[in-house]
Amino acid sequence: DTEVTQTPKHLVMGMTNKKSLKCEQHMGHRAMYWYKQKAKKPPELMFVYSYEKLSINESVPSRFSPECPNSSLLNLHLHALQPEDSALYLCASSQEGQGRSTEAFFGQGTRLTVV
Amino acid sequence: LAKTTQPISMDSYEGQEVNITCSHNNIATNDYITWYQQFPSQGPRFIIQGYKTKVTNEVASLFIPADRKSSTLSLPRVSLSDTAVYYCLVGQTNSGYSTLTFGKGTMLLVSP
Repeated sequence: DTEVTQTPKHLVMGMTNKKSLKCEQHMGHRAMYWYKQKAKKPPELMFVYSYEKLSINESVPSRFSPECPNSSLLNLHLHALQPEDSALYLCASSQEGQGRSTEAFFGQGTRLTVV
Repeated sequence: LAKTTQPISMDSYEGQEVNITCSHNNIATNDYITWYQQFPSQGPRFIIQGYKTKVTNEVASLFIPADRKSSTLSLPRVSLSDTAVYYCLVGQTNSGYSTLTFGKGTMLLVSP
């Protein structure tokens, strides 16, 4: 199984709503990532988890709250978002390692629209 | 992290070979060069990775000159389904994870 599964595929939420994006992988990868991608732009790194611990937060606003409950799951909790947060949210995972840049596996993404 | 520069777009026809060159003048000694492909509304997909000289797999070849300041992704005999954005990334894994930094990418359009 070389898949990263993201749910839901599409999400529309109001600015006062609370919602969560979910990501799951069963490849035994211990590094997991959240990226945000706006239309016609490259993916931008938001968070990195390594061995279920938050290793990198790229100065992401607190209305985005990541969580890694176990080595297979990664969540992104959303609260009080703004319309400009509308984007494709991508989850990825990779094997832990040193030196060689490891292959990252990406999910299909969640298309988020904030109204 | 090494910055990469690629052409914004390229056009080709079915059956042709396509070469996309990426410039990475400040690549570090331990950095690897990796290429990803992305279709609209999908996550990026790993294509190929190399450190020096030439690497070939079932979908592409990667040519890296001795100074490693550039690299060329070669797609043999492209088809319409190769229309996508191609990203060149330079980096390495530290402390158990890779911080993939995507540049602007190259939009490849393959026409009949």
